[in-house]
Amino acid sequence: NAGVTQTPKFQVLKTGQSMTLQCAQDMNHEYMSWYRQDPGMGLRLIHYSVGAGITDQGEVPNGYNVSRSTTEDFPLRLLSAAPSQTSVYFCASSYVTGDTEAFFGQGTRLTVV
Amino acid sequence: AQSVTQLGSHVSVSEGALVLLRCNYSSSVPPYLFWYVQYPNQGLQLLLKYTTGATLVKGINGFEAEFKKSETSFHLTKPSAHMSDAAEYFCAVTPMNTGFQKLVFGTGTRLLVSP
Repeated sequence: NAGVTQTPKFQVLKTGQSMTLQCAQDMNHEYMSWYRQDPGMGLRLIHYSVGAGITDQGEVPNGYNVSRSTTEDFPLRLLSAAPSQTSVYFCASSYVTGDTEAFFGQGTRLTVV
Repeated sequence: AQSVTQLGSHVSVSEGALVLLRCNYSSSVPPYLFWYVQYPNQGLQLLLKYTTGATLVKGINGFEAEFKKSETSFHLTKPSAHMSDAAEYFCAVTPMNTGFQKLVFGTGTRLLVSP
């Protein structure tokens, strides 16, 4: 049971480049989400999905795009990278109930130069 | 809307001493409350959670937390710190009525344990 798998683990981008952060889970969780972690700011919700074909914005969605074509995968796209998007990105998944445990991936450390 | 305040970005204790990490929340509806731990270069791992029922909840690694509605608090404690407890701890809240988790995290508290 792999849990939540994020790729890549590290990435350096130039300003203006685009890329996709991958997230896959094998627990048949309906709910998936993306957070960014910045020093002194905790984790902030970017986008989330309650099932295939359904996505919604979180607290900091600007500059990011998501889609959910399958239950297992929830990629995060950076459309035109900016230095302000330098951060550590975490994907999480859980069942669609509020009182359940969220499982987190190992994170992707992204640097935009 | 929900928010979480964690007092103290860093807490230092000696091995064997009491650990107390503070968390206060704000929520317009009854909340679910969580504590997560993050070890260096790792994702987050659930320590414990409050959903309904008993207000004193026990988690993994000897940690526990008490939900105090009147004080809007959910402080994390451990009677005796171990070197392996050194990590960053996050308190999080989600409203009880959404049917899924839109976790709002505090800014985190880094626990330092000295021998």
